[in-house]
Amino acid sequence: GQSLEQPSEVTAVEGAIVQINCTYQTSGFYGLSWYQQHDGGAPTFLSYNALDGLEETGRFSSFLSRSDSYGYLLLQELQMKDSASYFCAVASGGSYIPTFGRGTSLIVHP
Amino acid sequence: NAGVTQTPKFQVLKTGQSMTLQCAQDMNHEYMSWYRQDPGMGLRLIHYSVGAGITDQGEVPNGYNVSRSTTEDFPLRLLSAAPSQTSVYFCASTNRDRKSRGYGYTFGSGTRLTVV
Repeated sequence: GQSLEQPSEVTAVEGAIVQINCTYQTSGFYGLSWYQQHDGGAPTFLSYNALDGLEETGRFSSFLSRSDSYGYLLLQELQMKDSASYFCAVASGGSYIPTFGRGTSLIVHP
Repeated sequence: NAGVTQTPKFQVLKTGQSMTLQCAQDMNHEYMSWYRQDPGMGLRLIHYSVGAGITDQGEVPNGYNVSRSTTEDFPLRLLSAAPSQTSVYFCASTNRDRKSRGYGYTFGSGTRLTVV
């Protein structure tokens, strides 16, 4: 089976940098994705890492270490609108159906 | 281009009633999935489909049926509603062309179901 671990909650102040970690256990690992979900809204796709290293998209970056079965989402220059839940998801064994973590609630304070 | 459309947005059922949650996408996506989201549980896969006429079970399929007669539509049927099925249901879709982006899924806005 597959399992993912991520912190349940992270808090930070506006303008700061925050890192949300995700560790996973799976066979035939294919890639790690990140989704954002605001309260009452639908998840939206943020980023994807298939290879080791950092992928940058504006204020958001995602990192993967396949040897450590570990990844993180880095959010810079935090804004109040970044307060949301963030989910990591793994695809493995060539499957196109991701398995999601339980999500990390990010609270950004003024 | 509406993306993924789910109806209804809210529904209250009595225990034992049946109903169908509708999901339609206009992006010609092959892959469609249904998830349920409960507090602290993340998104759990109920059923999925890789194309018209092909469906399979996910992690929590009991009490639900699906069919995929067209590429666009993927309805989820609750056979006999139970309070344990109170949840938020999301439909999502993608296609094989998104493989290089981890099959980034597009989600519908969700159906909030309460079973009393």
